[in-house]
Amino acid sequence: AAGVIQSPRHLIKEKRETATLKCYPIPRHDTVYWYQQGPGQDPQFLISFYEKMQSDKGSIPDRFSAQQFSDYHSELNMSSLELGDSALYFCASSSMLEGTEAFFGQGTRLTVV
Amino acid sequence: DQQVKQNSPSLSVQEGRISILNCDYTNSMFDYFLWYKKYPAEGPTFLISISSIKDKNEDGRFTVFLNKSAKHLSLHIVPSQPGDSAVYFCAAPRNDMRFGAGTRLTVKP
Repeated sequence: AAGVIQSPRHLIKEKRETATLKCYPIPRHDTVYWYQQGPGQDPQFLISFYEKMQSDKGSIPDRFSAQQFSDYHSELNMSSLELGDSALYFCASSSMLEGTEAFFGQGTRLTVV
Repeated sequence: DQQVKQNSPSLSVQEGRISILNCDYTNSMFDYFLWYKKYPAEGPTFLISISSIKDKNEDGRFTVFLNKSAKHLSLHIVPSQPGDSAVYFCAAPRNDMRFGAGTRLTVKP
């Protein structure tokens, strides 16, 4: 069965650079969620989209932006990267209509040096 | 405003015993709850769910209990196995899938 695909799996960037993380949800899922998990921390909700519209916003820095495209994939854009942005970024998808549980991708590990 | 709370950051149990992980919520409109299990450096994986029309859902060694009047749910793992050692999160989809803070379960052989 198709799962949530995140790319890239690993990314190394320098301070002040930009990064783009991509998330491809499970087919027919209309909702995408982004989470950030720092070292030794629990996943923190960043932002979510339903039917290509932002549905909720959590602790996402102003330097970050995200969108969901017409094919339902989502991208998290991170600019002016800081060392503290080094974390595991998870994407999850669900079907709001069907009320199913959300399924997570394997995450993108971002390292800022 | 944390609408889903897990107040025990960690739990340690002996192999073969019961593990009980607790979760409280504040919004009485929540009607569906999920438990996720997470290993380090991996994405959370769905474990079990419960709808508010039930007070219990069982799947193998895992049982989730829901007490709507107390706004409390719990996950029971019986018998606990070392492979169950992970961080467990409860979540309410209508909270836009925000998780509780998680409980780290350690099952000792």
